[in-house]
Amino acid sequence: KAGVTQTPRYLIKTRGQQVTLSCSPISGHRSVSWYQQTPGQGLQFLFEYFSETQRNKGNFPGRFSGRQFSNSRSEMNVSTLELGDSALYLCASSQTGPRHLSNTEAFFGQGTRLTVV
Amino acid sequence: KNQVEQSPQSLIILEGKNCTLQCNYTVSPFSNLRWYKQDTGRGPVSLTIMTFSENTKSNGRYTATLDADTKQSSLHITASQLSDSASYICVVSGYSGAGSYQLTFGKGTKLSVIP
Repeated sequence: KAGVTQTPRYLIKTRGQQVTLSCSPISGHRSVSWYQQTPGQGLQFLFEYFSETQRNKGNFPGRFSGRQFSNSRSEMNVSTLELGDSALYLCASSQTGPRHLSNTEAFFGQGTRLTVV
Repeated sequence: KNQVEQSPQSLIILEGKNCTLQCNYTVSPFSNLRWYKQDTGRGPVSLTIMTFSENTKSNGRYTATLDADTKQSSLHITASQLSDSASYICVVSGYSGAGSYQLTFGKGTKLSVIP
């Protein structure tokens, strides 16, 4: 069974540009969450999508957006890039659904390393 | 505000020795607590996941404990190996309503195992 796949693995952009990152979840998983990881802040939750709907959102500015497609693949977009957006962006997939399934495992991808110059 | 605090920030131990990492949290309502291992430049990999009613859970040389009353957890690594060198992240899941959950992450403990 293939794991969570994130593309691209590495990306260099300049300030002011926009970027789109992609995440393909494990087959059968309907939930995809996105996280930003920086050395100073650790992992921070961006948003979660479940069945093409954004179910949760972290405390990030509106420049950060995402979407999920009918096949559960998800994309994350960051517009007007800033130097502080340089980070490892991770996505995780799981089968989370109703409350009684809250303890389902979340599987992470390898991440996309974004560098803004 | 939901928070997860981990200690120590970094730790260096000799190969073969044991060590214990700590995690304190204030997430409420609590759903479960997870420990992840993250190698440099890679995504986190799950070690254990514990619910409110579980006190101890093991995964090979890794043993996690949970005290839901004091909101503390620990991860004990036995007979450390060089491959244990990584960041260990404590993650607490809290119910955020309407059947959904949000994960709060600690900043991790960076463990270095030296020969």
